[in-house]
Amino acid sequence: AQKVTQAQTEISVVEKEDVTLDCVYETRDTTYYLFWYKQPPSGELVFLIRRNSFDEQNEISGRYSWNFQKSTSSFNFTITASQVVDSAVYFCALSEALGKGGSEKLVFGKGTKLTVNP
Amino acid sequence: EAGVAQSPRYKIIEKRQSVAFWCNPISGHATLYWYQQILGQGPKLLIQFQNNGVVDDSQLPKDRFSAERLKGVDSTLKIQPAKLEDSAVYLCASSFSGEPVWNEQFFGPGTRLTVL
Repeated sequence: AQKVTQAQTEISVVEKEDVTLDCVYETRDTTYYLFWYKQPPSGELVFLIRRNSFDEQNEISGRYSWNFQKSTSSFNFTITASQVVDSAVYFCALSEALGKGGSEKLVFGKGTKLTVNP
Repeated sequence: EAGVAQSPRYKIIEKRQSVAFWCNPISGHATLYWYQQILGQGPKLLIQFQNNGVVDDSQLPKDRFSAERLKGVDSTLKIQPAKLEDSAVYLCASSFSGEPVWNEQFFGPGTRLTVL
C-alpha cells in the first residue's frame, strides 16, 4: 500500500528564514509520481510540482526547491527566504503510474502547517 | 479561465439528515474527482469520474454516500444519512483527459460540512 508521511505537523519561522518541509513515502511500485501542493487559508489546493520516480534531479523554481532521494524515499521541499504569503498547509502526495484517463489517484500526507511571521 | 466551482461553501446539519454538494468542473475537463478532507489530514479520494462513468469508487462508503455526474459535466455528491464522522471539507477537482499524458488536477474551494 502507498503511504506518505509528513512528520512535521506545524512549523513556525520568521520572514526571510529558510525552511525545509520533510516528506517520506512508501510504495511497492517502481514507477510512481510525487507531488507537492499548497493549501492557503482559502482552501483550494494549488499544485506546486510533480516528479516521476526515474528523475532524481533536484529542481529549483524561484525561492522553491525540491530534493528527491530514492535511497531514503524522501522528497523534501525547501523555501528560501520565506515570506508571509508562504503561510499555508503544504501537502506531499504520491501516485502510482498513470491510470485511466491520464490522471492519477493521489495519496496525500497529513500536511505541514507553515506559519511565516513578519 | 473559470476555476472549479463548488456550492455550498458551508453546511451545518444534524446527524441522520441528508446533504448534497454540487461541483462544476473547468470547461472541457472530462475527469472529475471528489475528495474528503478531515481536519488535520490530507485529502482522501472518494470517487473519480471519467465523463459520466465511474473510474474509481473504492473508498466511497456506499452505504451512505452516492455521487453522480449526469451528462458528464456537473456532479453531485450526497450523504444520506450523515454521521458525526462525516464532518469534513469535501473537495472537488477536475482535469483534462488526454491519455497517456499526465493532466494536472485543479481543485475547487471545497464545501465545509459540520454534522452536529
